[in-house]
Amino acid sequence: EVQLVQSGGGLVRPGGSLRLSCAASEFSLTDHYIDWARQAPGKGLEWVGRSRNKDNSYSTEYAATLIGRFTMSRDESKNSVFLQMNGLRTDDTAVYYCARLLFGEYVDVWGEGTTVIVSP
Amino acid sequence: QMTQSPSSLSASVGDRVTITCRASQGINSWLAWYQHKPGKAPMSLIYAAFNLQSGVPSRFSGTGFGTDFTLTITGLQPEDSATYYCQQYHTFPLSFGGGTKVEI
Repeated sequence: EVQLVQSGGGLVRPGGSLRLSCAASEFSLTDHYIDWARQAPGKGLEWVGRSRNKDNSYSTEYAATLIGRFTMSRDESKNSVFLQMNGLRTDDTAVYYCARLLFGEYVDVWGEGTTVIVSP
Repeated sequence: QMTQSPSSLSASVGDRVTITCRASQGINSWLAWYQHKPGKAPMSLIYAAFNLQSGVPSRFSGTGFGTDFTLTITGLQPEDSATYYCQQYHTFPLSFGGGTKVEI
């Protein structure tokens, strides 16, 4: 079954770091763009960023407020995408989702989400 | 920026429900709709404004172009209770609407 398996969430202090993982099952991530989105408690969905596919050099885009703190990367050997989050703030508390794009355009598969709690 | 309305609605099984989404600038047909239930991953319903994702029931439909879009559920079912989001993927940063909570 085609799916995205997420891990890496947890509790972290303000100013700390966390790396989220998004592993692909039954397909190769090298062919696909991956988006990240998040949902803070009681809030709506918020777009976090995009990692393009290998043909596009794994180039990235980020939400303006996250530039400099969040970085996406890939490991082909693990068929995984990572979201490195540094300088975490309490308002980064959210469920984080990764999602696969078809044809580099629209999402067709979502990961199950991983919870990040930033608290003193 | 994407503006959704209403923010919530209550309807009965079998009703026809319409959710609207307005973009602050033209986005052609680069719009998707998602269904999100608490504790679950979002589910993709529609892409490119009106194309149904594989496996999505035909009671869901989308229309629109440019700045004004709609999601319609014809024949509401109990399992349709969820929050629905539109998202533009025309221009970075991508953006979601604020969501519409549908209660049965």
